[in-house]
Amino acid sequence: AQSVTQLDSHVSVSEGTPVLLRCNYSSSYSPSLFWYVQHPNKGLQLLLKYTSAATLVKGINGFEAEFKKSETSFHLTKPSAHMSDAAEYFCVVSDLSGGYNKLIFGAGTRLAVHP
Amino acid sequence: ETGVTQTPRHLVMGMTNKKSLKCEQHLGHNAMYWYKQSAKKPLELMFVYNFKEQTENNSVPSRFSPECPNSSHLFLHLHTLQPEDSALYLCASSQATLNYNEQFFGPGTRLTVL
Repeated sequence: AQSVTQLDSHVSVSEGTPVLLRCNYSSSYSPSLFWYVQHPNKGLQLLLKYTSAATLVKGINGFEAEFKKSETSFHLTKPSAHMSDAAEYFCVVSDLSGGYNKLIFGAGTRLAVHP
Repeated sequence: ETGVTQTPRHLVMGMTNKKSLKCEQHLGHNAMYWYKQSAKKPLELMFVYNFKEQTENNSVPSRFSPECPNSSHLFLHLHTLQPEDSALYLCASSQATLNYNEQFFGPGTRLTVL
C-alpha cells in the first residue's frame, strides 16, 4: 500500500532563510509524488509533482523537491522563505491500485515564517 | 469561471436540515472527488466518480449522498448531520486515466453543523 509520512507537523523559519519540509514515502511500485500547499481558508494548490522523469523537480514560487529512491524521501525546499509562504503543506503519493487515480495525503506540515 | 468552483463557501445548518453542496469544474476533466478536511486529521477521501460512475465510497455514512449528473458537476447532499460532520469539504477533479495526473481542488465549503 502507498503511504506518506511528513516528519514535522510544524516548521518555523525566519524570512529570508531556507525552508526544508520533510516527507518519506512507502510504495510497492515506482510512485508519483506531489506537494500541495493550502493557504488559510483556501483550497489546495499544486506546488510540484514527480512522475519518474528528473529526480529534482522545480515547482512554483521557488520551491523544489528531490526524489531520492534510496532514502524513500521527497523533501521540499526553498532557498529563501517569504512571508507569503506561511501555509500548510501536504506531501502526497498517487495510488493506482484501485484502477483509478487516488491520492494519499500526508498529515501536513504547517510552515510559519517570522519577520 | 475557471478551474474548480464550489458553492456555497460557508454553510451553517442544524442537525435536522437538508442541504446540498455544489461543485463545478471547467477543466474538461472526467473524474471528480469529494474530500473531508477536519482539524488535526489528514485529508479524507469520501467519494470518487469516473465518467459519472461512482468508483469509491470510502465508508461514508449514508447521511452524505453524492450525485454526479455529468462530468462537470458534482453534488453532495446532506441530511440529518451530526456536529462532528463540521469540516471543510473539498471538491477536486482530474483526468480519469491511470496516468499520474494531479487533482485540481476547489476552494472548499466550510460546513458548521449546530
